[in-house]
Amino acid sequence: AQKVTQAQTEISVVEKEDVTLDCVYETRDTTYYLFWYKQPPSGELVFLIRRNSFDEQNEISGRYSWNFQKSTSSFNFTITASQVVDSAVYFCAPRPWAGSYQLTFGKGTKLSVIP
Amino acid sequence: DAGVTQSPTHLIKTRGQQVTLRCSPKSGHDTVSWYQQALGQGPQFIFQYYEEEERQRGNFPDRFSGHQFPNYSSELNVNALLLGDSALYLCASSLADRGLSQYFGPGTRLTVT
Repeated sequence: AQKVTQAQTEISVVEKEDVTLDCVYETRDTTYYLFWYKQPPSGELVFLIRRNSFDEQNEISGRYSWNFQKSTSSFNFTITASQVVDSAVYFCAPRPWAGSYQLTFGKGTKLSVIP
Repeated sequence: DAGVTQSPTHLIKTRGQQVTLRCSPKSGHDTVSWYQQALGQGPQFIFQYYEEEERQRGNFPDRFSGHQFPNYSSELNVNALLLGDSALYLCASSLADRGLSQYFGPGTRLTVT
């Protein structure tokens, strides 16, 4: 079984501030995928990134960056120069490499960016 | 390129009734997963359909059933509705042979009174 802990329930930042969303996961699988999704007030989950557990290279995509540390089972997400449109609930979700297709979601972190 | 679509958008049902929710996958996708998201919680996996069969099921009772059609669209059926079934029901599609990212639809908000 897999488990996700997103300890930050809610975060508020002022526009243009940087913000990091923490994700700690538990899994017995040696190889797995990790995902981040964004859920704006409209409700639709928007796919942000997928990482493989054997690839610990950090990744940057525009204002978004991800820090994957397998040794600490963490997959943190940073938004640089936050914007009001970044306001949403963010979910981290692991998924086994094989044998299971389900994403395991935590409770998410609600980010509010104040203008 | 059409994304995942779901219908209806909102639905109000009475306890004990039955409901059917529908999902059309993203163009080119052949696998559909269903998730239930209660208010303030993360989505919970209900089941996944591939090649018109249920491939995997989460921890949900038999009142929850589904179907996948030859065109890959899918239905989620819930019988004997309970107040606790009130939630946002999300459909996600993906490509089975690549088993990778799931793309979600806008969801159906079900309210049971």
